[in-house]
Formats: sequence, C-alpha cells, structure tokens
Amino acid sequence: EAGVAQSPRYKIIEKRQSVAFWCNPISGHATLYWYQQILGQGPKLLIQFQNNGVVDDSQLPKDRFSAERLKGVDSTLKIQPAKLEDSAVYLCASSLDLRPNYGYTFGSGTRLTVV
Amino acid sequence: GENVEQHPSTLSVQEGDSAVIKCTYSDSASNYFPWYKQELGKGPQLIIDIRSNVGEKKDQRIAVTLNKTAKHFSLHITETQPEDSAVYFCAAIVGYNNDMRFGAGTRLTVKP
Repeated sequence: EAGVAQSPRYKIIEKRQSVAFWCNPISGHATLYWYQQILGQGPKLLIQFQNNGVVDDSQLPKDRFSAERLKGVDSTLKIQPAKLEDSAVYLCASSLDLRPNYGYTFGSGTRLTVV
Repeated sequence: GENVEQHPSTLSVQEGDSAVIKCTYSDSASNYFPWYKQELGKGPQLIIDIRSNVGEKKDQRIAVTLNKTAKHFSLHITETQPEDSAVYFCAAIVGYNNDMRFGAGTRLTVKP
C-alpha cells in the first residue's frame, strides 16, 4: 500500500511569514495526526482528526496554528505568523481508526526552518 | 497526562553486541507500547509493539519486554549491525483516542 505522503519536504521562511503543509494519509485510514518534532526530541502531538472532525487539539497553539481535513482525507496544517521556535519537522501520521492499539504510519515529514 | 521517559539518550555498541533501551511511563491506563526507528531524513517507522496483556514479544533480533507493575518497558536488539544505527523512540498509548506520547529518543550507533 502507498504510504503517508507529505509535501513539501523542506521549507525555509522568514519569521512572521505564513506556511502551509499538506498530508495525504493511507487510503482508508480514518484517523490523521499532525506531530511536531523539534531537533533532538520525540514527536509531540499537535492535532488529531477522526474523518473530518477534530478529536484532540489541546496542544495546538491556536493563536498561530490551524489545521483542517475538510473531506476526511487530505489535511493541511498552517502556521501564521511563524516564529523562530517553530523550526522543526512536521510529521503527519494516519491509522485505521481511533480504537486503542492501532499503530500509526508516519510520513517522511516537512522540515521547516524559520529564519 | 502521560509522561514517557527514555534512557539512555545515546548508546554506542560494537557490531555483534546487544543494545538495550529502557522507558518508563506514568499512566497506569496505558495499554499499548510501540517502538519506532527513525533514520535521518525519514519519519519514524514501527519496528515492534507490545500490548498490556503480554509480558514479552520477540521478532528475530528485536525483543520488547513490559513490566506493568513497575510501569517500564524495554527494547532489546541482539547481534547488532551497522544498519541498526538510528534514533529509537518508545511510546505509550492511552485511552480511547489512540493518543500516543513519545519518549525523547535514543541515538544508537553500531560501530563496525
């Protein structure tokens, strides 16, 4: 099966600019996650969708970050305006559904550098 | 919320030796414990997992053990090879949302 697709692979922007990342999960996977991975740290959950509804966005900095999954398939994550501390790899993952004990499949991520 | 602690942060072994990475978790409701391998420029890849009703699981050179009473679980890699060099993450899933919390990672280097 095709994996989780993410684009772009790399992005460099200046602080206060906007940026958007795109994710296409594995076909049939109802649950989609966005994680932020700062260099040298484990991934941290930003937001979790079940189909097109938000399940958990408690760790999303909502003053600057937003995400949507309008048709329950692809998802976009946006940062506006970006700060230096947003420099990180943004990982998208998907799983079959919300039931516990389902493993995630991760994409390769988008490396964001804010200068 | 769940906290997952992982040790050591770096580990260097000689090819053929064994490597052990340990994690502890805080929430007794955690019921699923996956391990991920992340190579440079790639996303984490699941290598093995264990559920709370099992104490040990093995897959070729990789094994994971779980002690629910002590709230810790470990990854064991035997007969290490240079291609095992990567960053390894433990994680724990809590509750009905399938919410996964990660450890900080262990950078494993296998020297030929």
